[in-house]
Amino acid sequence: KAGVTQTPRYLIKTRGQQVTLSCSPISGHRSVSWYQQTPGQGLQFLFEYFSETQRNKGNFPGRFSGRQFSNSRSEMNVSTLELGDSALYLCASSEGGLNEKLFFGSGTQLSVL
Amino acid sequence: QQQVKQSPQSLIVQKGGISIINCAYENTAFDYFPWYQQFPGKGPALLIAIRPDVSEKKEGRFTISFNKSAKQFSLHIMDSQPGDSATYFCAASGMDSNYQLIWGAGTKLIIKP
Repeated sequence: KAGVTQTPRYLIKTRGQQVTLSCSPISGHRSVSWYQQTPGQGLQFLFEYFSETQRNKGNFPGRFSGRQFSNSRSEMNVSTLELGDSALYLCASSEGGLNEKLFFGSGTQLSVL
Repeated sequence: QQQVKQSPQSLIVQKGGISIINCAYENTAFDYFPWYQQFPGKGPALLIAIRPDVSEKKEGRFTISFNKSAKQFSLHIMDSQPGDSATYFCAASGMDSNYQLIWGAGTKLIIKP
């Protein structure tokens, strides 16, 4: 089976712009979750989607949103980018949810200038 | 009550030695404790996980020790090899966190040949 695929790998944006990141989960996995990783901060949970419904949400502002399609592919959108949004954004998939083995993609490195 | 504190921040171990990374959690309702390994440019990958019904779990050279009363768990890497050089994250979750993983800040492990 192919692993979790995230595109694009790198992205450079300027403040105020918006960005959309894409994640294709492992075939058969219905849960997709998103994380923000910054140096020294570990991973911060953004949200989880399961069967096209947002099932869990972390403590991020409303500028961060996502969705999941019927084929389980997911997108994450960040509007009105701020310098502090510069981070590695990781997507993970699993069969049933957050409380089991997560399979991560290699991430999208977002730089906001 | 949702924090997971991980130490040390960085660790240098000689090849063949034992690497030990510690984590402490606050929420007694947490019931899932995984360790993830992350190499540069890659997403984290599940290394080993434990649930509180056992005090120790071993998989090859990797062992999780769990102390429920102290609310601590640790990762031991026996016979550490240069290929083990990576960043290690502990995490915890349970019903109180809506099964969201609460992550430690990470430990950068360097194995010296």
